[in-house]
Amino acid sequence: EVQLVESGGGLVQPGRSLKLSCLASGFTFSNYGMNWIRQAPGKGLEWVASISSSSSYIYYADTVKGRFTISRDNAKNTLYLQMTSLRSEDTALYYCARGNHWFAYWGQGTLVTVSS
Amino acid sequence: DIQMTQSPSLLSASVGDRVTLSCKASQSIYNSLTWYQQKLGEAPKLLIYDANSLQTGIPSRFSGSGSGTDYTLTISNLQPEDVATYFCQKYYSGNTFGAGTKLELK
Repeated sequence: EVQLVESGGGLVQPGRSLKLSCLASGFTFSNYGMNWIRQAPGKGLEWVASISSSSSYIYYADTVKGRFTISRDNAKNTLYLQMTSLRSEDTALYYCARGNHWFAYWGQGTLVTVSS
Repeated sequence: DIQMTQSPSLLSASVGDRVTLSCKASQSIYNSLTWYQQKLGEAPKLLIYDANSLQTGIPSRFSGSGSGTDYTLTISNLQPEDVATYFCQKYYSGNTFGAGTKLELK
């Protein structure tokens, strides 16, 4: 069974940093592209970043480019999102999701709250 | 950037109804479109990919159609468990989600 479990969320002050993790199981992690997608409270979905299976291709939404870094460790079956210079508008539930174009599997999300 | 517009934002329907949800792109996305269902408090679930391909395990009352800029998700014989918010997503020239259609029972 495919499982994606996010962690690392919490309350953080504006301008600070936070690193999210997503532990994958139930499939060969190194074969799949992975993504971070977020959802602000009561709002819609926003794609944040994607990384290919071998980390050769990485893409970011304009809203996070230069502040967030997506990475992966295929030996540890783990996806990461390093977030710096956090803003109040980054407050959201952050999901990791598997897929290159569409997202067939999602975790349950980890909540990031940016507030002083 | 290609924008995705979903309509209506809120849809009320009765059990057994056939409902259609719309998703329009600001330019052609060449069938690079998916549909997701998100129930309250849950992660989104993939329903349709490539505009009209049904994801494994999804009931056949869900179907997708369209081409070019205009796409539709149809739910035939609406069931109570279909109450949810539905999002479209294009993956041609980057990933963008629509704002969603909230489906409620009348």
